[in-house]
Amino acid sequence: DIQLTQSPSTLSASVGDRVTITCRASQSVSNLLAWYQQKPGKAPKLLIYKASNLESGVPSRFSGSGSGTEFTLTIGSLQPDDFATYYCQHYNTYSPPFGQGTKVEIK
Amino acid sequence: QVQLQESGPGLVKPSETLSLTCTVSGVSISSYYWSWIRQSPGKGLEWIGHAHYSGNTDYNPSLTSRVTILVDTSKYQFSLKVTSVTAADTAVYYCARVIGSYQGLVDYWGQGTLVTVTS
Repeated sequence: DIQLTQSPSTLSASVGDRVTITCRASQSVSNLLAWYQQKPGKAPKLLIYKASNLESGVPSRFSGSGSGTEFTLTIGSLQPDDFATYYCQHYNTYSPPFGQGTKVEIK
Repeated sequence: QVQLQESGPGLVKPSETLSLTCTVSGVSISSYYWSWIRQSPGKGLEWIGHAHYSGNTDYNPSLTSRVTILVDTSKYQFSLKVTSVTAADTAVYYCARVIGSYQGLVDYWGQGTLVTVTS
């Protein structure tokens, strides 16, 4: 089974900071990687699919890159609404795994 | 707009069957695959499986012997059954819409429902 490892587990940042989260796969997942944002008590929200495609309605400060085994989610200028937990996910596979999550908290 | 709403018991006894329903509105239920995903503190987010109204299903290999997902087009609902539950099945259960035929990629989610397995 493919494992996804996110780093860091927790990230402290300030409004306006550029933030980067990494997701590493235990074997190549091509570009079949998505990123979700989850706020406390809410369902996850799809941000990015196919590694770099922005879901409709998602602000352009979010971007994704990578292929194969290493991927990044970047928030260009952190906004108050962005403090949340972020998950990567490999999809279109037999048992789509999620990463363990990265919590972005206020510094 | 697309809306999904989970319903079902919040408490289930060990060894019994967990049953949840997701009611869909704002979209044709027969045009998509529909998925269940759960989230627990211990295991994080876990894909359970998905189903199409045609009867096509795929399940997480770790759960396949205990899980059934069905789509009922007449009621605009799809359901989840997990048999022989244990405390490890305690989680928030989400229903969600699958994007195209991409297994696991979901765009619309329900708000989630907490199911606790306890005697």
